[in-house]
Amino acid sequence: EADIYQTPRYLVIGTGKKITLECSQTMGHDKMYWYQQDPGMELHLIHYSYGVNSTEKGDLSSESTVSRIRTEHFPLTLESARPSHTSQYLCASSARGRGLETQYFGPGTRLLVL
Amino acid sequence: AQKITQTQPGMFVQEKEAVTLDCTYDTSDPSYGLFWYKQPSSGEMIFLIYQGSYDQQNATEGRYSLNFQKARKSANLVISASQLGDSAMYFCAMREAITGGGNKLTFGTGTQLKVEL
Repeated sequence: EADIYQTPRYLVIGTGKKITLECSQTMGHDKMYWYQQDPGMELHLIHYSYGVNSTEKGDLSSESTVSRIRTEHFPLTLESARPSHTSQYLCASSARGRGLETQYFGPGTRLLVL
Repeated sequence: AQKITQTQPGMFVQEKEAVTLDCTYDTSDPSYGLFWYKQPSSGEMIFLIYQGSYDQQNATEGRYSLNFQKARKSANLVISASQLGDSAMYFCAMREAITGGGNKLTFGTGTQLKVEL
């Protein structure tokens, strides 16, 4: 079982607001990821981190930023939310086990920007 | 670049029957891994099963099994004895190594499975 948490689960916010989506895991995983998923569509990697003070951009260009100051915490920030940011954001972390590296996902944050 | 194709946008199955969800992939990397995730309407992604490219046997996890045909580049998910709780979106994904030792997952577009009485 994975212990990875995301808050808030749902967020409705007005255009121009700054928001931070929280993600934390209690498994001590070094690697963490943020994916963006539009309704009924596939997931796209937007950010990842190998460990503390490490952050990289993913495949899908995103105006969001991330930080990794603590192993267990990987927040995502939008400085000025826009309706185009409306989506579901899924956080994941990974560790190697049974010879493979499995990503475990949090419950997601559904963001609606009005 | 890696690519995952799921050609079934939606599938229906009767309770207690078996169902196969299709997944084909394309990669030039000789070492890869294939994953299946389940996403209920609540939104979380639940890991179901994994198949490595060098695994000799098809992976199984309880009622889930993976029909891995390497020459055809397919990794179909078989769910036996379907239950109402199996109704969800199912995603096939491929692991791709990224710099620094991590792995990126490339996802297919998903198959919406509906289990009926």
